[in-house]
Amino acid sequence: AQTVTQSQPEMSVQEAETVTLSCTYDTSESDYYLFWYKQPPSRQMILVIRQEAYKQQNATENRFSVNFQKAAKSFSLKISDSQLGDAAMYFCAYRSSAGGTSYGKLTFGQGTILTVHP
Amino acid sequence: DVKVTQSSRYLVKRTGEKVFLECVQDMDHENMFWYRQDPGLGLRLIYFSYDVKMKEKGDIPEGYSVSREKKERFSLILESASTNQTSMYLCASSFLAGGVTDTQYFGPGTRLTVL
Repeated sequence: AQTVTQSQPEMSVQEAETVTLSCTYDTSESDYYLFWYKQPPSRQMILVIRQEAYKQQNATENRFSVNFQKAAKSFSLKISDSQLGDAAMYFCAYRSSAGGTSYGKLTFGQGTILTVHP
Repeated sequence: DVKVTQSSRYLVKRTGEKVFLECVQDMDHENMFWYRQDPGLGLRLIYFSYDVKMKEKGDIPEGYSVSREKKERFSLILESASTNQTSMYLCASSFLAGGVTDTQYFGPGTRLTVL
C-alpha cells in the first residue's frame, strides 16, 4: 500500500518570501500522480498543482512549483512571493495511475499548516 | 465552476443516532468520494462510488454505509453514531475518463460532533 508522509506539521513564512513544504511517499508503482491540495480556513479544499510521475519536468502554476525527485520519492512544494491568502493547511496526495477498482483513490499525507506573517 | 455542496456545515448528534450526511455535485461527475479528516491523520477514504448504485469500500469503512440513488447525490450514513466518529467529513467528486479518474473537487465539509 502507498503511504504519504508530511514531516512538517507547521511552517511559517514572511509575506513576499519563499517557503518549501516537504512530502515523501512510498510506492512500488512506476506510474502515478502526485498532488498538492490547499485547504484554507473556510475548509473548501482546492487543487494547487499536480505532477505526473512519467514527466521529468517539474510542474509549475504561477507562484507554485514542485521539486519532484522520483528516485528519492520526494515531492516538495515551493511557494514564491508568499501572500497572506496562501495561509492554509496543505496536503500532499498520491494517486495510482492504474484503473480498475482503484478508481482514482487518493492517499493523503498528514498535512502542513502554513502561516504567513505580514 | 464545479460545485460540490454538503447538507450541513456543522452537525451535533447523540450516541446511537442514525446520521445522514448528504453531498450533491452539479458537474455530472461519475465518481464521488467520502473522506474523514482528523488532525495528524490527514484525509482517509471511507467509501467511494463510480456509478449510480455502485459503491466500493475505502480504507476505513467500518461503522459507515453509503447510498447513491442518483448520479449527482452521494449519501454517507452512520447507522449508530459513536463518539469516535466525531470528525470532519469531506465529500469529493470527479470525472472518470477512459478508466482514469480526473482531478477531485471537494465540498466545504461537515463538522460532526457525536455526544
